Amino acid sequence: GAGVSQSPRYKVAKRGQDVALRCDPISGHVSLFWYQQALGQGPEFLTYFQNEAQLDKSGLPSDRFFAERPEGSVSTLKIQRTQQEDSAVYLCASSLEGRVAFFGQGTRLTVV
Amino acid sequence: QKEVEQNSGPLSVPEGAIASLNCTYSDRGSQSFFWYRQYSGKSPELIMSIYSNGDKEDGRFTAQLNKASQYVSLLIRDSQPSDSATYLCAVNIFGNEKLTFGTGTRLTIIP
Repeated sequence: GAGVSQSPRYKVAKRGQDVALRCDPISGHVSLFWYQQALGQGPEFLTYFQNEAQLDKSGLPSDRFFAERPEGSVSTLKIQRTQQEDSAVYLCASSLEGRVAFFGQGTRLTVV
Repeated sequence: QKEVEQNSGPLSVPEGAIASLNCTYSDRGSQSFFWYRQYSGKSPELIMSIYSNGDKEDGRFTAQLNKASQYVSLLIRDSQPSDSATYLCAVNIFGNEKLTFGTGTRLTIIP
């Protein structure tokens, strides 16, 4: 596709449930980022991949959050044992190395 | 002190006027600066990027960077109702690919 694609667009999870969010970056983009955006706030960095290597995971809020990009293309952000404070929009972005990042439409996660 | 600071607004500007959005940053190692526009319920969309001191113009948009003052701004000329959105300032620090965002300024253009 022409842009960054994320699925699902919306996810409602019961507290304690595990969720998996998918990101399909722009073809050929080496860098992939995950951000978390709470209501009324700017996006907050979670983690960064260069190809399949996770080079920075300093923004992951707890060990319940895990991200992977095994073949250097599609990435999955997994949240285990979801809590209400995990409710947010999860944004994926991709870029050519050192260039401008383009964002997907995001996944809105609501934990009830 | 937050790394990137913006006035959250709302900022109301009459249609046709100039909207001025401001951003300050704390890390002097910052090398790349971006303005993203975000409509409600949508993802951030890049409006402008600027890398060196001075002004950069693109259509109705002008980005201004002053590294000595750690200040970056966005001017929108001839504001249109379609410019009503939240504007996010983002900064990239040398040697680090990630972006650090401000909280965004909500702009409303009044017809």
